[in-house]
Amino acid sequence: GAVVSQHPSRVICKSGTSVKIECRSLDFQATTMFWYRQFPKQSLMLMATSNEGSKATYEQGVEKDKFLINHASLTLSTLTVTSAHPEDSSFYICSARLQGMNTEAFFGQGTRLTVV
Amino acid sequence: AQSVSQHNHHVILSEAASLELGCNYSYGGTVNLFWYVQYPGQHLQLLLKYFSGDPLVKGIKGFEAEFIKSKFSFNLRKPSVQWSDTAEYFCAVSTNQAGTALIFGKGTTLSVSS
Repeated sequence: GAVVSQHPSRVICKSGTSVKIECRSLDFQATTMFWYRQFPKQSLMLMATSNEGSKATYEQGVEKDKFLINHASLTLSTLTVTSAHPEDSSFYICSARLQGMNTEAFFGQGTRLTVV
Repeated sequence: AQSVSQHNHHVILSEAASLELGCNYSYGGTVNLFWYVQYPGQHLQLLLKYFSGDPLVKGIKGFEAEFIKSKFSFNLRKPSVQWSDTAEYFCAVSTNQAGTALIFGKGTTLSVSS
């Protein structure tokens, strides 16, 4: 099946710095990718929908200036957590669906972000 | 907007017991429905999906789910659970339109004792 690769799998950064997470669709083109956040023992919360060549669509309550999304090509979306703080520590997961209606979603391995 | 409700927060079963996890969604249009499993420390794995056709869907590892449109439900079942089924289970829904995100339920923790 299709593969979504996410990098890095783990990152530790100091408070106040920025961290970039990459999400790549390895064998298919993804005009749309999705970014989720998962807190320990909780569900995946949709943060934003990343659209190739245009601005991302953020869910209510998600700060677009804090979580910068860039979808520069049909196979790459990036999430940058800017000026990270300890409360941004979480598990971030990207996803992409094959184009068209009624398609499966594929998920990256996730990135464990720890802000110290 | 779609939403998903999973009724069981934590289910505890003995091996060989039967399992049914409830999932209801809220959306008036045509939906795609999914069940995912997340083992401790691992990423999501698709158990099964429903797009159209036969409302009884069979997935991997002996799981199945039934789509009941009139009840807006997509319950997950397994006739006989194993210790290795201990995991977190997530129901998810999306519209059938291209480029729409999956919306997840809060998840159900299944603990199976041997």
